Amino acid sequence: QQQVKQSPQSLIVQKGGIPIINCAYENTAFDYFPWYQQFPGKGPALLIAIRPDVSEKKEGRFTISFNKSAKQFSLHIMDSQPGDSATYFCAASIDGGKLIFGQGTELSVKP
Amino acid sequence: GAVVSQHPSRVICKSGTSVKIECRSLDFQATTMFWYRQFPKQSLMLMATSNEGSKATYEQGVEKDKFLINHASLTLSTLTVTSAHPEDSSFYICSARTGLAGHEQYFGPGTRLTVT
Repeated sequence: QQQVKQSPQSLIVQKGGIPIINCAYENTAFDYFPWYQQFPGKGPALLIAIRPDVSEKKEGRFTISFNKSAKQFSLHIMDSQPGDSATYFCAASIDGGKLIFGQGTELSVKP
Repeated sequence: GAVVSQHPSRVICKSGTSVKIECRSLDFQATTMFWYRQFPKQSLMLMATSNEGSKATYEQGVEKDKFLINHASLTLSTLTVTSAHPEDSSFYICSARTGLAGHEQYFGPGTRLTVT
């Protein structure tokens, strides 16, 4: 019930493409859903986050779509660039508590 | 804003010795900090939650006597790996939560520990 399932495990797109990474959860008590970007050998960096009262949030080229009834949320990266190649993690938490992370998606954007 | 630092970034130690890793919130006060461990190509595994001035809460399966956590101030938490063994070699990352009511967690750059 505390799990967050993330897919796909890896993703390859061409420059300019729109990679989509999906996450699903079971616990309806989750009230905060962030996405993190991690480069090799570095700590995760907070990209964008959403609360369950909003269906979509956009920051720059990154968009979160949130479907409360389906208990799913996804990250879209518009006009992807080779510099976006990294591992992306979704997560969820309750009331500012510990983050439950998805398994991660390794994204490769080809020039 | 919301910068978290870790020191050292890399450390190599001999089996049986202890290693201390520092996590600092540089531009905000963090009442709660978290310590994670990450193996190559895997997700982050939460080890413990650290609240300023109180004992840390450890996740199931994490040895509290081996991984000592101290959160002495609103900007500093430390993780000490005691009597380290090669299987403790890993990437250790801390995060800090902003404010009492904030949800955002900001991560440090991580510390690569190698035990020989």
